[in-house]
Amino acid sequence: DAGVTQSPTHLIKTRGQQVTLRCSPKSGHDTVSWYQQALGQGPQFIFQYYEEEERQRGNFPDRFSGHQFPNYSSELNVNALLLGDSALYLCASNRLFIYGYTFGSGTRLTVV
Amino acid sequence: SQKIEQNSEALNIQEGKTATLTCNYTNYSPAYLQWYRQDPGRGPVFLLLIRENEKEKRKERLKVTFDTTLKQSLFHITASQPADSATYLCALDRGSGGGADGLTFGKGTHLIIQP
Repeated sequence: DAGVTQSPTHLIKTRGQQVTLRCSPKSGHDTVSWYQQALGQGPQFIFQYYEEEERQRGNFPDRFSGHQFPNYSSELNVNALLLGDSALYLCASNRLFIYGYTFGSGTRLTVV
Repeated sequence: SQKIEQNSEALNIQEGKTATLTCNYTNYSPAYLQWYRQDPGRGPVFLLLIRENEKEKRKERLKVTFDTTLKQSLFHITASQPADSATYLCALDRGSGGGADGLTFGKGTHLIIQP
């Protein structure tokens, strides 16, 4: 049973560019959340998707947007990249009403 | 907003001893508190969840306590092994229904079990 799959694993982008990160949730999970983790910090909640709708959002600017598809997979888009966006981006999935999230290994984004 | 404090310094424990990690939070009391393990370059792995009406939870060598009066959770690893070396993250959500709350994480405690 595959867990959460994220792609790509590593990415280097230039300031001002746009990036799209992808996530496939664990089989049987219908809810996907995205987190940003800077070096030495805990993950910070970006937003959560369920039934293709954004249910809740953390304290991130509108440059961060997302989407969930009918098969529950999800994308995270970041526009106008800043150097400070360099981080590990984590996707987590769960079944609604069931706690205990399954995380992917993340996408390491470096903005230069 | 919720603030979580964990021992920011590394915790060195001798193999076979019990490791105890602390998580303190401010503001509102969460409905749930969770502990995760994270290895370098990997995503967090869920370990245990404890509800606000539970005092203690156990799973194999792991034990979590939850004191809503002190606003503190303690995470214990008994008979610690070098393979337990990792960063341990405390996370809270408000449990406001439907698992729709994002988790608020602490910075984590880096645990080192020395042979």
